[in-house]
Amino acid sequence: GAVVSQHPSRVICKSGTSVKIECRSLDFQATTMFWYRQFPKQSLMLMATSNEGSKATYEQGVEKDKFLINHASLTLSTLTVTSAHPEDSSFYICSARESLNTEAFFGQGTRLTVV
Amino acid sequence: GQQLNQSPQSMFIQEGEDVSMNCTSSSIFNTWLWYKQDPGEGPVLLIALYKAGELTSNGRLTAQFGITRKDSFLNISASIPSDVGIYFCAGQLAGSARQLTFGSGTQLTVLP
Repeated sequence: GAVVSQHPSRVICKSGTSVKIECRSLDFQATTMFWYRQFPKQSLMLMATSNEGSKATYEQGVEKDKFLINHASLTLSTLTVTSAHPEDSSFYICSARESLNTEAFFGQGTRLTVV
Repeated sequence: GQQLNQSPQSMFIQEGEDVSMNCTSSSIFNTWLWYKQDPGEGPVLLIALYKAGELTSNGRLTAQFGITRKDSFLNISASIPSDVGIYFCAGQLAGSARQLTFGSGTQLTVLP
């Protein structure tokens, strides 16, 4: 299957700082990328959907000013957690798909710990 | 929003046994997908189902798209230790975004 690379795989940051997570499609152009959050022993919860060149669509209850998403190119989307707090600690996963009729492939995930 | 009810929540089986898990929903989905997630990793697609009634195999894995389009099951035959992990079903609705809705997951443990 197609390769989606997420970086970093782990990050520890201090409370109040911002953290950027990158999601890259390595062998295809991703028109749509999705960002999920997963708490321990729970399922994936969709945070937002981003289409290249347009603003992301956030799910209900997700603060767009806190979780900034940029999908500036067909191979890169970034999620920036601004002014992170310990409750933002979680596993963040991106997925990317080439078109509406193709499957979405997932990145390896980023474990964020805010101390 | 839409919800997928996945069961069982966890399973402990002996190596070599078969296992079955399923997902049901009150909503109709156009696509059902089954993923496996290892600890600290993203989900990996196992099987994708696109038509009601479709039965698809991938090695020891078999999955079916329910006739009502509201359910799906995944069977794993002759389990081996590397089958350990969390299995998620996911449904995809029609529409422009075609986002995935995930089930709650089934934690599978294979005992030697």
